[in-house]
Amino acid sequence: DAKTTQPPSMDCAEGRAANLPCNHSTISGNEYVYWYRQIHSQGPQYIIHGLKNNETNEMASLIITEDRKSSTLILPHATLRDTAVYYCIVRPRGDNDMRFGAGTRLTVKP
Amino acid sequence: DTAVSQTPKYLVTQMGNDKSIKCEQNLGHDTMYWYKQDSKKFLKIMFSYNNKELIINETVPNRFSPKSPDKAHLNLHINSLELGDSAVYFCASSSLAGYTEAFFGQGTRLTVV
Repeated sequence: DAKTTQPPSMDCAEGRAANLPCNHSTISGNEYVYWYRQIHSQGPQYIIHGLKNNETNEMASLIITEDRKSSTLILPHATLRDTAVYYCIVRPRGDNDMRFGAGTRLTVKP
Repeated sequence: DTAVSQTPKYLVTQMGNDKSIKCEQNLGHDTMYWYKQDSKKFLKIMFSYNNKELIINETVPNRFSPKSPDKAHLNLHINSLELGDSAVYFCASSSLAGYTEAFFGQGTRLTVV
């Protein structure tokens, strides 16, 4: 019952930018877009979140379309250690109902 | 110091046994969660507690009973374990009041034989 759609898998060459898309066409006005990733079988790790403006931190950039129906997570220079499953989640900030979809399995290749 | 710690990391037990998984967070968060990740790798929310009160209780068999003695702890007790309970269980915490994001533990791999 996740509200997002992501491609099941993607490949990226090491050192290149990885662009991971997410569709959230039913997003509500008070819902934020969050990204997490899960490396191998470790616990998921928070990456970034945004409402409508583009966001950047030390890990990644988040580009949200003007209509907010889709977004793209950008890893500017992917490394082998970025190989993971990336999850896009939408929810209101301060809401503790955080549900994961199937995510995108990103494989960074040498 | 580990922010969210779960014990044990691995748990192998026989069908029908009762077992507990402990979770502690030292982040001062007010909300804690339990998630189950099965062999197909889907991560499903089971429970969510806010300030020791149960907020989310998904369709989970009543053999699973969370216990929150204080805001820093959320333990998961499982009665009459079944083969289908084999999975990785993740604990997480966040601060709804402070709008901080969720931090996850490293998981407990439960194998029921």
